[in-house]
Amino acid sequence: TQLLEQSPQFLSIQEGENLTVYCNSSSVFSSLQWYRQEPGEGPVLLVTVVTGGEVKKLKRLTFQFGDARKDSSLHITAAQPGDTGLYLCAGEQRSGYALNFGKGTSLLVTP
Amino acid sequence: SQTIHQWPATLVQPVGSPLSLECTVEGTSNPNLYWYRQAAGRGLQLLFYSVGIGQISSEVPQNLSASRPQDRQFILSSKKLLLSDSGFYLCAWITGSGSFLTGELFFGEGSRLTVL
Repeated sequence: TQLLEQSPQFLSIQEGENLTVYCNSSSVFSSLQWYRQEPGEGPVLLVTVVTGGEVKKLKRLTFQFGDARKDSSLHITAAQPGDTGLYLCAGEQRSGYALNFGKGTSLLVTP
Repeated sequence: SQTIHQWPATLVQPVGSPLSLECTVEGTSNPNLYWYRQAAGRGLQLLFYSVGIGQISSEVPQNLSASRPQDRQFILSSKKLLLSDSGFYLCAWITGSGSFLTGELFFGEGSRLTVL
């Protein structure tokens, strides 16, 4: 089983602070995806990283894929209350047909 | 445009009762379809996926089952619910050609099940 461990599980910060969340595995993934979920809704894709060492930026969010393609990180600069939500990383199964998700990092940004 | 719908949105069922959750996709053909379960704001657990009519892959041994009677219809069922079946059930399909290198999981609105 290709497990994805996310840390921290919970994070509560004030508006304007920076933060990093991590997604780690002992398995190599052909790609990793990051999703964001708001309460009562389905997750929505933020980014897909494919190449080892790849860095992608989405406004104040920076995503990095580890060189060995076993881990990834999400860095948020100057967090805003609108960033509040559950951040999930997901890796493609070896079968290629499905995604396994980590348990997520629940982020709360207070004004 | 492609859309995905699942129902019911909310249900409360007694232990031992049956369950049927339905999911339909519009605007695409032969999609890969998925059922995930999420407990109390935590990660998603893959339950079943299907790459075609009548083709079901089960990820977790349990008292749930899935069926795909039509190309764009995916049904999650149980004959007898357990307390541990409570959770937020999400149906999803993958956009694009079915590759996670270029596609994404697009989720339905979710069905919240409470088993009492």
